[in-house]
Amino acid sequence: QKEVEQNSGPLSVPEGAIASLNCTYSDRGSQSFFWYRQYSGKSPELIMFIYSNGDKEDGRFTAQLNKASQYVSLLIRDSQPSDSATYLCAVGRYGGATNKLIFGTGTLLAVQP
Amino acid sequence: DGGITQSPKYLFRKEGQNVTLSCEQNLNHDAMYWYRQDPGQGLRLIYYSQIVNDFQKGDIAEGYSVSREKKESFPLTVTSAQKNPTAFYLCASSTGTADTQYFGPGTRLTVL
Repeated sequence: QKEVEQNSGPLSVPEGAIASLNCTYSDRGSQSFFWYRQYSGKSPELIMFIYSNGDKEDGRFTAQLNKASQYVSLLIRDSQPSDSATYLCAVGRYGGATNKLIFGTGTLLAVQP
Repeated sequence: DGGITQSPKYLFRKEGQNVTLSCEQNLNHDAMYWYRQDPGQGLRLIYYSQIVNDFQKGDIAEGYSVSREKKESFPLTVTSAQKNPTAFYLCASSTGTADTQYFGPGTRLTVL
């Protein structure tokens, strides 16, 4: 089992719809959760982070965290073609020999005009 | 402007050559990282450093070497022992090793 799992996609949504991206993680000791966006040929850029259970909103983006179920999701409202990219989930794991940020392999989102 | 720079943007290597990729940050971050990304794949950790003069192997360190003589700099050498080095190389930095990582623009290495 991978420590951080994402569906590779592609997830195809029509323009204006809500895109829902999901991520599950295996370590219950994880305390920080991040979403990155990576356009083709470019480096990842941070969209948002969340530390507490519940929802966190930033513009058209909402991150949702459920520690009991060990999943974190990213909702993109009013999806635009410019949102088409790979979305990487990252989970901060604390304790043990060293603290680490573990990346998922990403979900490819395609927003259809 | 604070940020991470990588150079060169594109690099071509002949078989049997060692090449060094540069990574510099002015964010005053303690931790720095090198990742490799192959087409359509996720990030794979090569090496990371938590403090100056210390670094640790990641998941795919064979054929690579690093140094951390200054807080701002974390160069990666791709040696001739790396049999399939063609990939997109990303450098990142963070305050701590479980904190937000910020990425440089990347170096695309091609073996001729």
